[in-house]
Amino acid sequence: AQKITQTQPGMFVQEKEAVTLDCTYDTSDQSYGLFWYKQPSSGEMIFLIYQGSYDEQNATEGRYSLNFQKARKSANLVISASQLGDSAMYFCAMRGLSQGAQKLVFGQGTRLTINP
Amino acid sequence: EAGVAQSPRYKIIEKRQSVAFWCNPISGHATLYWYQQILGQGPKLLIQFQNNGVVDDSQLPKDRFSAERLKGVDSTLKIQPAKLEDSAVYLCASSLAASGRAFFGQGTRLTVV
Repeated sequence: AQKITQTQPGMFVQEKEAVTLDCTYDTSDQSYGLFWYKQPSSGEMIFLIYQGSYDEQNATEGRYSLNFQKARKSANLVISASQLGDSAMYFCAMRGLSQGAQKLVFGQGTRLTINP
Repeated sequence: EAGVAQSPRYKIIEKRQSVAFWCNPISGHATLYWYQQILGQGPKLLIQFQNNGVVDDSQLPKDRFSAERLKGVDSTLKIQPAKLEDSAVYLCASSLAASGRAFFGQGTRLTVV
């Protein structure tokens, strides 16, 4: 069974600082994908970044990067130069890529607050 | 490109009543998901379809919840009868393939009183 754990219920960061949101996962699948989504107070789920288990390089998308440590089963999201608009809930998710293990499961989320 | 459409956006019902939610995925997306998100929690997968077949429904309370995806396109999720603990946002998502990125609709906020 797949499981995602996000141990930080809330994070408070000063504007312009970098922030790391933690995510660990558990799966018996050899091939899988990891996702981060942002959910502002409006409720929409916004895709941020994806990392495949066989990708050799850490994924980056603008100010977002994923610190992928396969041996430790962690996939932390790093946001550089945080902005007030980054205040939101952040969810880590994973999906197995082999047949029969493809359900997309989410963690409990981290509420990020950026202070001016 | 049109996004995932859900309706209604809001619904208030009394306990023991029935309710149905509708989802129209992005055109061509084979995989469709229904999630339940209780306030302050992460989304919980209720059911995942691949075309019109069910990939996973292990967390769907089948005594009261049902879902179908007709012709592998639109989907409906029904609750009958509703309980107070069903109050949540119901999110529909779709992806091109089971391994692809999921696109989410705006959700339906259900309040059971």
